[in-house]
Amino acid sequence: DGGITQSPKYLFRKEGQNVTLSCEQNLNHDAMYWYRQDPGQGLRLIYYSQIVNDFQKGDIAEGYSVSREKKESFPLTVTSAQKNPTAFYLCASSRGLARYTDTQYFGPGTRLTVL
Amino acid sequence: GENVEQHPSTLSVQEGDSAVIKCTYSDSASNYFPWYKQELGKGPQLIIDIRSNVGEKKDQRIAVTLNKTAKHFSLHITETQPEDSAVYFCAASTGDYKLSFGAGTTVTVRA
Repeated sequence: DGGITQSPKYLFRKEGQNVTLSCEQNLNHDAMYWYRQDPGQGLRLIYYSQIVNDFQKGDIAEGYSVSREKKESFPLTVTSAQKNPTAFYLCASSRGLARYTDTQYFGPGTRLTVL
Repeated sequence: GENVEQHPSTLSVQEGDSAVIKCTYSDSASNYFPWYKQELGKGPQLIIDIRSNVGEKKDQRIAVTLNKTAKHFSLHITETQPEDSAVYFCAASTGDYKLSFGAGTTVTVRA
């Protein structure tokens, strides 16, 4: 069963703690993405990676960090520097074709709540 | 950067009627326009997309139209059913891997 998995589905964190969200895909996609979704807003890009060991900042990267050590995995760390981390976090992947934007497929999301 | 505006923010339709959602974009270099459907507590799912070399695309009850001159594109859902109730997002991309999303439209289909 191919797809994108995110874990955990719900995550609670105390203020001042770092937390890591998992994203795994078995679609053999080269590109992976992290988005943040707040109520009543569209998705905003946090980080993206076109290839293993390489990633770029999106529009709202401050307070977040990522790694891409394996093609199928793209974990996101929400650090204590992120001022308002409570949100719904979505991971996505795409084939990563070089010449044009291709379809992005999304995981089920992780809802992070800071207590 | 690209700015995508989406209207309306909420839409209520009677079952069997049509629903239309409109989006405008700011960057004339945008060439890819997907539409996503998101059900409560789930990730968005692609329902249809269109590229700038095509003016219209249809898939069963769903269609998307693109007007490059006016920089707007629309989603049309015909013969709406209760399972069409969800939040719909439009997006645009200039081909640099990044999608810019609209704020979403909450569609409610009344039985």
